[in-house]
Amino acid sequence: NAGVTQTPKFQVLKTGQSMTLQCAQDMNHNSMYWYRQDPGMGLRLIYYSASEGTTDKGEVPNGYNVSRLNKREFSLRLESAAPSQTSVYFCASSRQVGESPLHFGNGTRLTVT
Amino acid sequence: GQQVMQIPQYQHVQEGEDFTTYCNSSTTLSNIQWYKQRPGGHPVFLIQLVKSGEVKKQKRLTFQFGEAKKNSSLHITATQTTDVGTYFCAGPGGATNKLIFGTGTLLAVQP
Repeated sequence: NAGVTQTPKFQVLKTGQSMTLQCAQDMNHNSMYWYRQDPGMGLRLIYYSASEGTTDKGEVPNGYNVSRLNKREFSLRLESAAPSQTSVYFCASSRQVGESPLHFGNGTRLTVT
Repeated sequence: GQQVMQIPQYQHVQEGEDFTTYCNSSTTLSNIQWYKQRPGGHPVFLIQLVKSGEVKKQKRLTFQFGEAKKNSSLHITATQTTDVGTYFCAGPGGATNKLIFGTGTLLAVQP
């Protein structure tokens, strides 16, 4: 099983450019998440989807949009990238919000210049 | 809102020494989860504790959930270089029950 697959692994953007981070899971999980992690800091939730068809804001949603395309896929879009969005982004999935362990993807290292 | 704090933020030990990290929540938790993130890697789930006072062991790692279900600890006996990484605790919180991660403890092990 692949688990949680994120693409791309690395990306460099110029300020104002847009991009979409893709995430797919093959564990039949109901819930999916996007986190960002800045150097020396913990994991901050951007958006999550408790189940197919729903999305909700996390701690730091400004500047991002998400789409739960189907049960497997959850994408994160930066419409107009800013240097403050330079970070490592992790997608994760779980059976149920809050009660089940998270399975993380390998991460996307994004640099905005 | 709910906060999950961990101490210490950083610990440097000699290989073979013991290590403990503590996790404290501002609210009662239905469960606590522990994750390990190796440098340059992604967080990996270690264990979940559900019951008040629960203690679970994984080889040299001992996890404990407090009686009040507001705190937890991870103890590593006789650290090895493979234990290097950041250890996070996480617990559900708020009306939506989403997982709140602690601030993490970075463990460095000197051979």
